[in-house]
Amino acid sequence: QKEVEQDPGPLSVPEGAIVSLNCTYSNSAFQYFMWYRQYSRKGPELLMYTYSSGNKEDGRFTAQVDKSSKYISLFIRDSQPSDSATYLCAMSETDKLIFGTGTRLQVFP
Amino acid sequence: SAVISQKPSRDICQRGTSLTIQCQVDSQVTMMFWYRQQPGQSLTLIATANQGSEATYESGFVIDKFPISRPNLTFSTLTVSNMSPEDSSIYLCSVEKGPKETQYFGPGTRLLVL
Repeated sequence: QKEVEQDPGPLSVPEGAIVSLNCTYSNSAFQYFMWYRQYSRKGPELLMYTYSSGNKEDGRFTAQVDKSSKYISLFIRDSQPSDSATYLCAMSETDKLIFGTGTRLQVFP
Repeated sequence: SAVISQKPSRDICQRGTSLTIQCQVDSQVTMMFWYRQQPGQSLTLIATANQGSEATYESGFVIDKFPISRPNLTFSTLTVSNMSPEDSSIYLCSVEKGPKETQYFGPGTRLLVL
C-alpha cells in the first residue's frame, strides 16, 4: 500500500462547478498537509498549507484535513478554465514531503 | 515565498554522457531538495542538500550517479551521470521556506536521453 493515495482522474467538469479533490494516507504521524497545482510543463505551485486537522479557506479554495479518517480534501468553488491543471497532495511528518500521484482536472467552458 | 530558476530548462543527451542542472534561489535558504518526476508518476525525492554538509540521498539514489553540490545558501547543482534512457525525466529543485515543511519548486528541467 502506498503511503499516499490519490485518484489520478482525469476529472472533467463544466465551468462554475464545485470540484472535490481527495487524498488518503496511511501514516498517522503526518502533521503537515499541502496542495500543489501544476500546470503543464511547469513546476508545482503551492496552493494550500494546513497544519494538523481542520479547514482552511483561501478565496475559491478550501482545504480540509480529517486526521481521524486519514483523509484530506481540496474544494474549488466556481471552477474556471484556468483551474485546469494537475493537483498534487503532499504531506509530511518532518523534513520530507510525500506526494500523491496527482489528479488531472479539466474545466471546460 | 521564493523565486527559483533552473538551467537548462530542457536538454536532449546521448547515453553515457553527464548533465549538470543548476538551481538558483532569490534568497538564502537552508534546505534545498532535488526531485525526479516521471510521466504519470508522483514526485520522488532524490536527495536533500544543506549548505556546508554532504547531501543526504534517498533509498535507490546514490552519490556516484547523482552528485550534488551546495556551495552557498542560494545555489545548488545536480549532476546526472553516465545517463541511460531510463534517466529521461523531469528534474525539479525545491527549497523550504516559510511555515515548517513548506516547499517551493523551480520550473523543472526536462531531460531526454537517447
